Amino acid sequence: KQEVTQIPAALSVPEGENLVLNCSFTDSAIYNLQWFRQDPGKGLTSLLLIQSSQREQTSGRLNASLDKSSGRSTLYIAASQPGDSATYLCAVYPGGFKTIFGAGTRLFVKA
Amino acid sequence: NAGVTQTPKFQVLKTGQSMTLQCAQDMNHEYMSWYRQDPGMGLRLIHYSVGAGITDQGEVPNGYNVSRSTTEDFPLRLLSAAPSQTSVYFCASRFQDNSPLHFGNGTRLTVT
Repeated sequence: KQEVTQIPAALSVPEGENLVLNCSFTDSAIYNLQWFRQDPGKGLTSLLLIQSSQREQTSGRLNASLDKSSGRSTLYIAASQPGDSATYLCAVYPGGFKTIFGAGTRLFVKA
Repeated sequence: NAGVTQTPKFQVLKTGQSMTLQCAQDMNHEYMSWYRQDPGMGLRLIHYSVGAGITDQGEVPNGYNVSRSTTEDFPLRLLSAAPSQTSVYFCASRFQDNSPLHFGNGTRLTVT
């Protein structure tokens, strides 16, 4: 059974710091992995999607990597800002229309 | 382009009452799904649909019904609400297998 784990559960960093969020999954047979951001009381906003054939994707200050063989993905946020404070979730898609989500990492960037 | 639209945003029900959560998308997505999000439990799939007239159960389907009569709409029905159904409900859609998943803004449901 596919399981997705995100560590740490919460993270507090000073503004300007570069940071890495981690996501691990137990079954490497995935089609893609997607990173989301969720603000309190809001829905999920898609940040990046990495197909299984790709190693990384970049959007602005965000870079996501994927290592299927080790069952790991990282989300790198450069020069963090207070506006980056949110919960970040990763989700793997093993096919069959059933996406598996991690519990998320709650990020707080201090001004 | 509205994306995925959910109504209502908030709802309070009494035990035993019924209601329908609405979800509509204007992106011509074939795949639509319903999730519930609970503290400590993450997002769990309730029901999903791969096209009009086709629905299937997810991880936690008990107490919920769905139908898909059009590509655009995928309502979630609670026939007899229970306090255990207090949660935040999200509708999501994707264009096709292996496409990004898009979410609505959620419905916060409280059952007393």
